[in-house]
Amino acid sequence: DQQVKQNSPSLSVQEGRISILNCDYTNSMFDYFLWYKKYPAEGPTFLISISSIKDKNEDGRFTVFLNKSAKHLSLHIVPSQPGDSAVYFCAASLMVYGNKLVFGAGTILRVKS
Amino acid sequence: DADVTQTPRNRITKTGKRIMLECSQTKGHDRMYWYRQDPGLGLRLIYYSFDVKDINKGEISDGYSVSRQAQAKFSLSLESAIPNQTALYFCATSDYGSENTGELFFGEGSRLTVL
Repeated sequence: DQQVKQNSPSLSVQEGRISILNCDYTNSMFDYFLWYKKYPAEGPTFLISISSIKDKNEDGRFTVFLNKSAKHLSLHIVPSQPGDSAVYFCAASLMVYGNKLVFGAGTILRVKS
Repeated sequence: DADVTQTPRNRITKTGKRIMLECSQTKGHDRMYWYRQDPGLGLRLIYYSFDVKDINKGEISDGYSVSRQAQAKFSLSLESAIPNQTALYFCATSDYGSENTGELFFGEGSRLTVL
């Protein structure tokens, strides 16, 4: 039973427009939520995170929004660039269990120029 | 040079063979992890270790074993490989201090094919 779900396998966006990647979770005890980015033939790299006590975190072109009541988070990329084309994984952690991240299935983002 | 190094990067083997994937890190982190990635399933935790004397099973540990030889080294073994263990395997590390964020640092992956 997947605790973290990314229901969109892929997303295609025009360069300069906004990319919105979505993630749902089932365990209300998760403390932190993270987004990782993965290019082909490379390992995932950390992109941005948000604590469960916040509803928004921004880092440059990347903003993560958390809606705890809906158990939903989203990653906004504005403006999207061709170099953003990658697989994006949503992940969640429970501090009491250490850094054991639970990952979603990933969303392939393609930014067209 | 990569902070988290995995060897081999690619391996093709036959059913029933014993395989070891190795991971070494220069980040000085205490915590190390093995994940596998399958299409449509994301990354799933196989084993993790919070220090040299600590080994814990993840959600999909059956058919795998691990060894934490030193703080910097964590190896994953498949005692008798089977085709459904064909996957991309990732080693990761984290600092005890990043416990409040959950951030992991990943190696570049080891692609294993079991025929």
